[in-house]
Amino acid sequence: GAVVSQHPSWVICKSGTSVKIECRSLDFQATTMFWYRQFPKQSLMLMATSNEGSKATYEQGVEKDKFLINHASLTLSTLTVTSAHPEDSSFYICSARAGGIGETQYFGPGTRLLVL
Amino acid sequence: KQEVTQIPAALSVPEGENLVLNCSFTDSAIYNLQWFRQDPGKGLTSLLLIQSSQREQTSGRLNASLDKSSGRSTLYIAASQPGDSATYLCAVLKIASGSRLTFGEGTQLTVNP
Repeated sequence: GAVVSQHPSWVICKSGTSVKIECRSLDFQATTMFWYRQFPKQSLMLMATSNEGSKATYEQGVEKDKFLINHASLTLSTLTVTSAHPEDSSFYICSARAGGIGETQYFGPGTRLLVL
Repeated sequence: KQEVTQIPAALSVPEGENLVLNCSFTDSAIYNLQWFRQDPGKGLTSLLLIQSSQREQTSGRLNASLDKSSGRSTLYIAASQPGDSATYLCAVLKIASGSRLTFGEGTQLTVNP
């Protein structure tokens, strides 16, 4: 199946700093990418959907100024957590889809963020 | 609002047993339903995707069924192995939701050797 990578796999940072997470589709062009967060023992919650070259669509309750998403190319999307705080500590997972609605989403391995 | 429920939340079985994981969803207007596997601290691996027009999909020891009218799906795992231990998530893609997958809470499976 298609491969999606994330970098870094884990990151520890101090409160107040910004952290950038990259999501890449390695062997296909992703017209749409998705960012999720997952708390321990809970399921995935969609944060935002991004299409290449356009602004991301954020889910209700997700601060767009805090979670900056850039989908500059068909193979790369980035999530920047700005002025991170301990409550932002979570597991962030991206996924990518090559075609339209109904096509398979392929998920990255996730990035664990710990904000001290 | 689409809700997805998975039962049981956790399951522990001896190696070799056949087992069934259940997923139910409230809105039957879906594009498809997917079953995923998640190992601790890892991302999701897609196991099976069933389009709304399909009744079942099979891959190796896995068989997933879909009854859209009743809002139910099952994942059948034959001859379970310790390596099958993981959390299994089902997710539905609702027609009215655009691109949003709605996930269940998952079933944590432990297969004991």
